[in-house]
Amino acid sequence: DAGVIQSPRHEVTEMGQEVTLRCKPISGHNSLFWYRQTMMRGLELLIYFNNNVPIDDSGMPEDRFSAKMPNASFSTLKIQPSEPRDSAVYFCASSPKGTGGTSPLHFGNGTRLTVT
Amino acid sequence: AQSVTQLGSHVSVSEGALVLLRCNYSSSVPPYLFWYVQYPNQGLQLLLKYTTGATLVKGINGFEAEFKKSETSFHLTKPSAHMSDAAEYFCALSTQGSARQLTFGSGTQLTVLP
Repeated sequence: DAGVIQSPRHEVTEMGQEVTLRCKPISGHNSLFWYRQTMMRGLELLIYFNNNVPIDDSGMPEDRFSAKMPNASFSTLKIQPSEPRDSAVYFCASSPKGTGGTSPLHFGNGTRLTVT
Repeated sequence: AQSVTQLGSHVSVSEGALVLLRCNYSSSVPPYLFWYVQYPNQGLQLLLKYTTGATLVKGINGFEAEFKKSETSFHLTKPSAHMSDAAEYFCALSTQGSARQLTFGSGTQLTVLP
């Protein structure tokens, strides 16, 4: 089991540029989550998918953020255009099918985004 | 609405001393409770979870937590701290109705002093 794989590990970009973060969930997991972690706001859920369908995107900060899950093994989080305040660590997590809310999340190692 | 409060954003203990990280929750329905650990430059890893049944839950690395409904608490303990326990610890809550959405606490940074 390779775990949740995120790429890139680090991304440095200039304000206004498009940024795409990638995630490969654990095989067989049917839920996928994107989180953002900052010192000021802690862990924030941005969006989650169930069976590749976005269920709740209320955490997406604004229209500059978009997420897709074209198949069960791949998801992207895109920021266009990026701004310095988007600098954070972005985590992808996946979860197996379980009973209600009992299934734990399996996190990737994150992408550290710096927007200058 | 549900919430998780972690008391103490920073906790320092000496190596070999008891570790106690506090977590209180608020939920109108029975909660499922989790503790996660985050080491530097890594994602969160599950330490232990409580769903139903036995209220004292044992996890990895010698940690355990006790669900106390009357106190709405789920404190994390370890009898003897090790240097490798230095990390950030997150308490989290979900419920049957929240599908798989977790509500996280703000985290507690544990420092272990030699």
